[in-house]
Amino acid sequence: GENVEQHPSTLSVQEGDSAVIKCTYSDSASNYFPWYKQELGKRPQLIIDIRSNVGEKKDQRIAVTLNKTAKHFSLHITETQPEDSAVYFCAASRGSTLGRLYFGRGTQLTVWP
Amino acid sequence: EADIYQTPRYLVIGTGKKITLECSQTMGHDKMYWYQQDPGMELHLIHYSYGVNSTEKGDLSSESTVSRIRTEHFPLTLESARPSHTSQYLCASSDLTSDSYNEQFFGPGTRLTVL
Repeated sequence: GENVEQHPSTLSVQEGDSAVIKCTYSDSASNYFPWYKQELGKRPQLIIDIRSNVGEKKDQRIAVTLNKTAKHFSLHITETQPEDSAVYFCAASRGSTLGRLYFGRGTQLTVWP
Repeated sequence: EADIYQTPRYLVIGTGKKITLECSQTMGHDKMYWYQQDPGMELHLIHYSYGVNSTEKGDLSSESTVSRIRTEHFPLTLESARPSHTSQYLCASSDLTSDSYNEQFFGPGTRLTVL
């Protein structure tokens, strides 16, 4: 099956700085890569996703990049704010009807005011 | 309002008891999932289902069972609870279309403590 590695496990940044979280995957057939954000005591929610036919996708202060050759993808958060503090999970999927998501272990992001 | 509901939200139970965690969704989704998660930690897929009468094992399925008799309902049963089952259990659902580029929506979770 797929194996998704996520780094770092914890990340602390000053408000206004950028944060980058990186994931690698093992299955070359994976073609869908979502990112979920889980705030303390709340349920995970999708914040951005990317398909393998796209190299980069942006949504306001967040962006995701994908390198299919190297089998890695990254989440970039610019101008971080305290409300960005949460656990972020990357995931990979084959994008088929019978597919499932394989999650990374999560990154605890703390943004200090 | 379309949502995913889980009951109970908190459960404290003794070792050896049989328990069923309930999950219902009004999202109109076909696919449903159960995850085990210690707070803020890795999400472990336990079971999933593509629709009525469909169930698949995930990565932590050996000590639990699920059923899918109705589209909106996906209960998880632990036949004999153990302290190692102490964790949070998250139910999720997603649309079933020609691909799986579909957002998974999560329920609020059940926090289980086994004494």
